[in-house]
Amino acid sequence: EPEVTQTPSHQVTQMGQEVILRCVPISNHLYFYWYRQILGQKVEFLVSFYNNEISEKSEIFDDQFSVERPDGSNFTLKIRSTKLEDSAMYFCASSPGTGGIGEQFFGPGTRLTVL
Amino acid sequence: DAKTTQPPSMDCAEGRAANLPCNHSTISGNEYVYWYRQIHSQGPQYIIHGLKNNETNEMASLIITEDRKSSTLILPHATLRDTAVYYCIVRVHNNAGNMLTFGGGTRLMVKP
Repeated sequence: EPEVTQTPSHQVTQMGQEVILRCVPISNHLYFYWYRQILGQKVEFLVSFYNNEISEKSEIFDDQFSVERPDGSNFTLKIRSTKLEDSAMYFCASSPGTGGIGEQFFGPGTRLTVL
Repeated sequence: DAKTTQPPSMDCAEGRAANLPCNHSTISGNEYVYWYRQIHSQGPQYIIHGLKNNETNEMASLIITEDRKSSTLILPHATLRDTAVYYCIVRVHNNAGNMLTFGGGTRLMVKP
């Protein structure tokens, strides 16, 4: 069964450093998402991406964040200058797009630890 | 999207049915009820969705009241692996670019 994959599973970085979190969505899906979950808190939406551009973003997704689909398979989240409060699980998700049921398929997550 | 209210936690005995309630009294006519779950530290997993009719799939059943102001997710024979946080989410259907808004969910503990 196809699934969303994410790498790395755990990323440790120093405050102020740039990090790139990588995701491979399900191959025929058209919509891509990033969510995050700070330990013990709710899952929060960050951004959705369709047709090579951002379709929706939350207040969390400020200028320190960017997303990219550099090729036909990868979807990345970049944090330019990490802060302590960026420590969280980051989940990538994808959905089939129009004609589907709106179900989003989530990856296993990347745990980001900012020291 | 309409707001949902769920109990913060529930227990269920292994092998018994788990009935998880959700209130969504402000739901509008074009909004569907979706259920996801999150097993500890894993990504959320889609379970089921419905508009106004009851729905069943291999994972669960969804019962929506006639006025659509509440619903119940039923796991007919809960196993230990069903221990998770269950989220009830109301959103417009088939607008695939829409974000999911997760609340606190119900933490279901299935006990042997």
